[in-house]
Amino acid sequence: DTAVSQTPKYLVTQMGNDKSIKCEQNLGHDTMYWYKQDSKKFLKIMFSYNNKELIINETVPNRFSPKSPDKAHLNLHINSLELGDSAVYFCASSPSGTGGNEQFFGPGTRLTVL
Amino acid sequence: AQTVTQSQPEMSVQEAETVTLSCTYDTSESDYYLFWYKQPPSRQMILVIRQEAYKQQNATENRFSVNFQKAAKSFSLKISDSQLGDAAMYFCAYNPNSGYALNFGKGTSLLVTP
Repeated sequence: DTAVSQTPKYLVTQMGNDKSIKCEQNLGHDTMYWYKQDSKKFLKIMFSYNNKELIINETVPNRFSPKSPDKAHLNLHINSLELGDSAVYFCASSPSGTGGNEQFFGPGTRLTVL
Repeated sequence: AQTVTQSQPEMSVQEAETVTLSCTYDTSESDYYLFWYKQPPSRQMILVIRQEAYKQQNATENRFSVNFQKAAKSFSLKISDSQLGDAAMYFCAYNPNSGYALNFGKGTSLLVTP
């Protein structure tokens, strides 16, 4: 029944490692997103995909690479993890990207880099 | 660039009372949408209310209503008959009609006391 799911919910890893976070939505939406919430709770867009096409790629280090194998999935791969990457990462989806649609959020993945 | 400002980092309200959370935004767009999202301690992001900029009528959802002042670029959230379950972070967000990402304010932490 979960609309937007993310795995894992918690991720603890060492600096320098490579890790992936998976996101799946079963709402039939065309657009998916990745947001980062920092330690001060500030939420900022990282990437937007519409019909598997990258629409928004904010100023994010090249170590972050999203991949959308199909419209229902948007995964986030992070190379060479750094301490500053510690945050909560939210996946979201909406019927289309344009302005007024509600974005449905996943439960978030808390990433801790030691 | 669009910016969203929430000037109240923390607010407190007694159960059954009314509280208003402030939000201002800056944009050169004429067609856009504004949102309030709630993030309880579970960290799940939940849409509270949405306002279309072209609508003069203020949006209302049960105990939640907004005061949308387009000329002043102000979008405040009023919570009536506050309940303990309303305690959460509240984020104001903006998305232009042609946009593909929510621009969030820094959030207001709402404490509800018995």
